[in-house]
Amino acid sequence: QVRLVESGGGSVKTGGSLKLSCAVSGFTFTDYYMAWVRQAPGKGLQWVSYISHTGAYTNYADSVKGRFTISRDSAETSLSLQMNSLTTEDTGVYFCARGGVYYDSSAYFLFTSWGQGTLVSVSS
Amino acid sequence: QSVLTQPPSLSAAPGQRVTISCSGSTSNIGSNYVSWYQQLPGTAPQLLIYDNHKRPSEISDRFSASKSGTSATLGITGLRTGDDGDYYCATWDRSLNVVVFGGGTKLTVL
Repeated sequence: QVRLVESGGGSVKTGGSLKLSCAVSGFTFTDYYMAWVRQAPGKGLQWVSYISHTGAYTNYADSVKGRFTISRDSAETSLSLQMNSLTTEDTGVYFCARGGVYYDSSAYFLFTSWGQGTLVSVSS
Repeated sequence: QSVLTQPPSLSAAPGQRVTISCSGSTSNIGSNYVSWYQQLPGTAPQLLIYDNHKRPSEISDRFSASKSGTSATLGITGLRTGDDGDYYCATWDRSLNVVVFGGGTKLTVL
């Protein structure tokens, strides 16, 4: 059974930092792309970042580029998102998502399983 | 303003069929696979459709989808009150070099 469990959310002031984590189980972690997708209160889904199955390739939304860093730990089967210089625009629920298997052409823009999300609240 | 355009809301009666459109351009839908996600109230999104029209094994055949040119469509038949929620399309935009989601469609079954 595929399972993704996020942690690390919380309240922070503008300019602060948070590190989100996602513990995964139930599948071969090193075969899949992974991603973070967020949802501002009452708004739609917004892709944040993805990382390839080996960790060699990453990509970010323009709104977080240079401030957020995605990483993965194969030994721990976990995904992380280091978020720095947070603004109120970063407030929302952050979902950890499993992408596609590495040999699929759509691996980096397909979200096959989702965690329940962790809430990040940034205030001024 | 989302790169992919969906109707903000739709409503239909139980048992009826509804279609949700997702309109894009040659740099996104026109050149990449489309996926669809269902988000029921208070829950995480769930993959409904991938590679334009394929369903994960656990998804009911009441859900179907297609793509033509720069538009994609999700269809739901035999509507149930449990289908109430938000539906999103997504794909890759090769010009922007990012994953793009539609703005979402709130489906009400009444």
